[in-house]
Parts: sequence; C-alpha cells; structure tokens
Amino acid sequence: AQSVTQPDIHITVSEGASLELRCNYSYGATPYLFWYVQSPGQGLQLLLKYFSGDTLVQGIKGFEAEFKRSQSSFNLRKPSVHWSDAAEYFCAVGGYNTNAGKSTFGDGTTLTVKP
Amino acid sequence: GAGVSQSPSNKVTEKGKDVELRCDPISGHTALYWYRQSLGQGLEFLIYFQGNSAPDKSGLPSDRFSAERTGGSVSTLTIQRTQQEDSAVYLCASSTGTVRDGYTFGSGTRLTVV
Repeated sequence: AQSVTQPDIHITVSEGASLELRCNYSYGATPYLFWYVQSPGQGLQLLLKYFSGDTLVQGIKGFEAEFKRSQSSFNLRKPSVHWSDAAEYFCAVGGYNTNAGKSTFGDGTTLTVKP
Repeated sequence: GAGVSQSPSNKVTEKGKDVELRCDPISGHTALYWYRQSLGQGLEFLIYFQGNSAPDKSGLPSDRFSAERTGGSVSTLTIQRTQQEDSAVYLCASSTGTVRDGYTFGSGTRLTVV
C-alpha cells in the first residue's frame, strides 16, 4: 500500500528565508509524486510533480522539489519565502500503473511566514 | 468549464437530515474524486470514478455515504441522516485519468452539522 509521511505539522520561517518541507513516501514501484498548496478557504493547487527523468523538478511560484529514491523522500524547497507563501502544503503519491487511480496524501504541513 | 466547480460552498444542516453535494468537473476529465478534510486533518479519500468503470468506493466511511456520477460528468455526493462527525470540508477533484497528470481541485463544500 502507498503512504506518505510529512513529519512537520507546522513550520514557521521569516520572510526572505529559505524553506524546506519534508516528505517521505512508501510505494512498491516507481512513484508519481506531487506537492499541492492550499490557501485558506481554497481547494488544493498543484505546485509540481515528479514521475521520471531529472530528479530535481521545478514548479510554480518559485518552488522546487528533489526526488531521492535512496531516502524515499521528495522534499519541497524555496530559496526565499514570501509572505504570500503562508498556506498548507500537501505531499501526495500516486501509482505508476495508470489504472491505480487515486493518490494518497500526507497530513499536510502548515507554513507560517513571519514578517 | 475552466475549473472544478462545487456547490454549495457552505452548507449548514440539522443532525439527521440528508444533504447532497455537487461537483462539476473540468470538461473532458474522465476521472473524478471525492475527499474529505476534517478540521486540522489531512485528506481522507472517499470515492473515485474513472470513465465507465465501477467506482472505487473503498473510502466511504459508512453506508450513509453514497455518490453517483451522471453521464461521465457531474457527480453528487449524498450523506444520509447526517451526524456531527460528518462536519468537514468535502473536496472534489478531477483529472485526465492519467495519474501522473495530478488533480485539479474545486474549492470545496464546508458542511456543518448542528
């Protein structure tokens, strides 16, 4: 069974500081990995995804993530955080088999940005 | 449509009443998903529709919950005899049906059972 762990429930960073949100996954084959962001009162928006090729993927809003198979990790990073990045971030894993259907989401990490 | 549309955006209902939540996916998206997000919790999978295949209902928490998708498009999630623990945000998402494309989510329906 596939699963996702986001070890940090809540992270606070200062505006302009760098950010790294951790994600560890469990999946028995080649995973599809995703990061989504949820602003207050909104649905989730896809930030970036990985399914093959270069292990460092770029996404929207200046975010990037690195897939490390040896560590079963897919950590999200941003070099300089803006106040508008305050939101909840979800990591998700989906099946390689396109018939596998649904993705499994982590419990999320809430990001607070200090001025 | 341009995005996934959910209605209503907010619903307050009395305990024991039935409610229907609607999701209108992106045109052409063959897959549709319902998730539930309780306060301070992650996303709980409820049900998944893919084309004409039988839906994956493995996440429905009880037989009070049901969903249908008509004509491969609009979906309705029905909760019968609502309970206070059903209070949550119900999120709908659609996708092309290929896992690696990810999901497009609606803004959700906030259900409050009083």
